[in-house]
Amino acid sequence: SYELTQPLSVSVALGQTARITCGGNNIGSKNVHWYQQKPGQAPVLVIYRDSNRPSGIPERFSGSNSGNTATLTISRAQAGDEADYYCQVWDSSIVVFGGGTKLTVL
Amino acid sequence: EVQLVESGGGLVQPGGSLRLSCAASGFTFSSYWMSWVRQAPGKGLEWVANIKQDGSEKYYVDSVKGRFTISRDNAKNSLYLQMNSLRAEDTAVYYCAKSIAVATNDAFDIWGQGTMVTVSS
Repeated sequence: SYELTQPLSVSVALGQTARITCGGNNIGSKNVHWYQQKPGQAPVLVIYRDSNRPSGIPERFSGSNSGNTATLTISRAQAGDEADYYCQVWDSSIVVFGGGTKLTVL
Repeated sequence: EVQLVESGGGLVQPGGSLRLSCAASGFTFSSYWMSWVRQAPGKGLEWVANIKQDGSEKYYVDSVKGRFTISRDNAKNSLYLQMNSLRAEDTAVYYCAKSIAVATNDAFDIWGQGTMVTVSS
């Protein structure tokens, strides 16, 4: 079965750029989606199909996908960006989530 | 407003059954694939099952095959998850989620608030 690998945690200084990776075999051939989840809340879609932002998501959030790694980039990190982030792909008709990355804004 | 509202969670003994419901509003429910995703306490997201717009295709994570059944009633704009032979490891918040694109599997753009299922004696 297909697996996605994320770092358990990433730290970023306030106002700096955070990058969260999602590794998978030839993930560049798949559409990667990213979700933000804050404690006690449902996940929120922040990037879909590698690099598209849903309405209402700040331009500070961007995504890329190539080879064996997809990356979520958060520019000018704010305290409100502190959350868990999950990548997700479809493998045939099965959904696969990464294990999640806790982003800490220092 | 596009919205998903889950209900039906609660405390159930191991081996018991529970039926979750998800009421959809604000969009053409019958046009979208729908999924159930769960999250055990302190753990990550785990996809459970999904169902095609007309209910003709259904897929499950291996750990629930033969025990859980996903279904939908497009006339009632509702999604369901029948859970039988429940185990302690099924304890989780269960979310229903909508595909962002019509008639295809894609990102989940709308999520419900979740309903908690606790399996314990």
